[in-house]
Amino acid sequence: QSVLTQPPSASGTPGQRVTISCSGSNSNIGSSTVNWYQQVPGTAPKVLIQSNNQRPSGVPGRFSGSKSGTSASLAISGLQSEDEADYYCAVWDDSLNGHYVFGTGTKVTVL
Amino acid sequence: QLQLQESGPGLVKPSETLSLTCTVSGDSISSNDYYWAWIRQPPGKGLEWIASIYYSGNTYYSPSLRSRLTISVDTSTDQFSLKLTSVTAADAAVYYCAREAIWSGFHQVDAWGQGTLVTVSS
Repeated sequence: QSVLTQPPSASGTPGQRVTISCSGSNSNIGSSTVNWYQQVPGTAPKVLIQSNNQRPSGVPGRFSGSKSGTSASLAISGLQSEDEADYYCAVWDDSLNGHYVFGTGTKVTVL
Repeated sequence: QLQLQESGPGLVKPSETLSLTCTVSGDSISSNDYYWAWIRQPPGKGLEWIASIYYSGNTYYSPSLRSRLTISVDTSTDQFSLKLTSVTAADAAVYYCAREAIWSGFHQVDAWGQGTLVTVSS
């Protein structure tokens, strides 16, 4: 049972903007930086956003991240068919001697 | 270019010990900037972080799995390993090894292996 809560699903038509939320607490999002991962079924996750809002080289600019207090968001602007995947937020949690936690995951469907 | 490769048995019997090894290439496991982690994903479910280790041996463990876990590192071979005891069907998953960067005191997983499927069955 994850301590980071995401909506189970999100959808949009090509070109639309989709936003995914990630809700945590003071011991995780509130005191650390948030990362986002994209996972196409059957493949390993890929880093999408690091340190709240930093895109690694090669990640399209239509992906953006933000954080406020104990919540974070991932936005996909100009949704494309290849964006259909599962998305996870993740963060270091200082409680219980420290551990990394993933969000519950959000399935994005391109209609 | 960093590569992470998991290896180990794909089938483990209930109550036995799951053992996996990750071989790191293209980077040194003795780097000051990284921990090395294990993450798993049961079929059809989400990601679960298991544990991570620094080259010096410092470790972090998932609170829910801590009592059954051992993570170790071998800097001479650039490998790190996972042992999970007393496995049940709930431990069946794709197991990923990963690199965990330390940035301003925060940990963030920034690279993944391809994953290896472990089935638990008698």
